[in-house]
Parts: sequence; structure tokens; C-alpha cells
Amino acid sequence: AQSVTQLGSHVSVSEGALVLLRCNYSSSVPPYLFWYVQYPNQGLQLLLKYTSAATLVKGINGFEAEFKKSETSFHLTKPSAHMSDAAEYFCAVSDSGGGADGLTFGKGTHLIIQP
Amino acid sequence: GAGVSQSPSNKVTEKGKDVELRCDPISGHTALYWYRQRLGQGLEFLIYFQGNSAPDKSGLPSDRFSAERTGESVSTLTIQRTQQEDSAVYLCASSLRMNQPQHFGDGTRLSIL
Repeated sequence: AQSVTQLGSHVSVSEGALVLLRCNYSSSVPPYLFWYVQYPNQGLQLLLKYTSAATLVKGINGFEAEFKKSETSFHLTKPSAHMSDAAEYFCAVSDSGGGADGLTFGKGTHLIIQP
Repeated sequence: GAGVSQSPSNKVTEKGKDVELRCDPISGHTALYWYRQRLGQGLEFLIYFQGNSAPDKSGLPSDRFSAERTGESVSTLTIQRTQQEDSAVYLCASSLRMNQPQHFGDGTRLSIL
């Protein structure tokens, strides 16, 4: 069984500031980890994924995430926030790469960018 | 189209009515998934198809929910005798095959009056 915890349902940062969205997971096997973004009135879009090739994963739009096994974490970061980053972000875990058991999602973090 | 297409985008219906939600996956994607996103809650996995087979239906919330898929194309999620608790956004995703990243549609927003 797996689960995902996203700390903070809302995160507010100033434009140009560091973005840090936290995700902790539990999994009985080495996990596949994902971050998805959902812009207003749109579907989910894959930001990045971790599949054990490298612990630091670079995604689209300048985002990256680091897999830390000892902390069971997969936090999402971006050095400098842009107004267009305002969206809902979901962390997800799968034991099978998102196949037979689908994905287990966190409850999401709403990112607010202040001008 | 290039992405996963879901219809309708919005559906409002009365309690007790049946509804059918449709998903057109990306062409060539063999795997298809249904999720539910209720207000204030996380995404909930419902069911997946490999081809037209759904090996595990235990994620469906109740026996009022059913899903079908025609070959490796369109899938429908049917909810019978809808209840207010069924109000949610229903998301469909597809992937080239199992264990590949999922691509999501824009969802169907279902409101039960």
C-alpha cells in the first residue's frame, strides 16, 4: 500500500522567490514518484517523474524535485517563481510506474504567487 | 486530437438519474484510467483498463458505478441512480502502455442536484 502527504494545502510566495512544495510518501517497494500540475480549468499535466535513474529530476517550466529515500520525500522546487506558476500541484506515487494500481495522489497544494 | 478528450465537460443532473461519462484516449494508448476528484479531497483512483480489460474493479466506489472500454479506444464511466455524494470532477488518463506516464484529460465536472 502506498500513500502521499503534501504539507500545506496553500503555499504563497512572492514573484521571484523560491518555490518549495513538500511531498512525503510511503511505499512498500521502491516507488515511482510524480508531480502533476493543474492550471485553472485545465486537466492535469505531468511536470516530472522519478523512476530511480537519478535522484534529482528536472521537469518542465524550470521545476525540479529531489528524491530522498532516507526522508521518504520528493519535494518540488523552482528557484524563481513566476506569476504563471500559480496552479494546483499534485504529488503522486505508484508501486508499478502508474500501471496496474494507478496512481495514488496527495490532496494537492495550491500555489499562490504574489506580485 | 492530440490529447485525452472527455465529454461532457460539465454535467448537471438530478439525484436518482443515470449519467454516462466518456473518455477518448490518445490514439495508440493501450492503458486507460479513471479518477475522481471530490471538492477538498485528493484524487481517487477508480479503475484502469489494459486494452478493453479491467482486471480490478475494487476501486469503484459502489455497485452503482461501472465502466467499459471498446477495444483500445473510447471508455465510458456510468453512474446509476446518482447521489449527491457523486458530485465531483471525473478525470480520465491514458498511457502508451502500463508503467508509462499518464496523460490526463480536462475532466468532467458532475453536479448532482
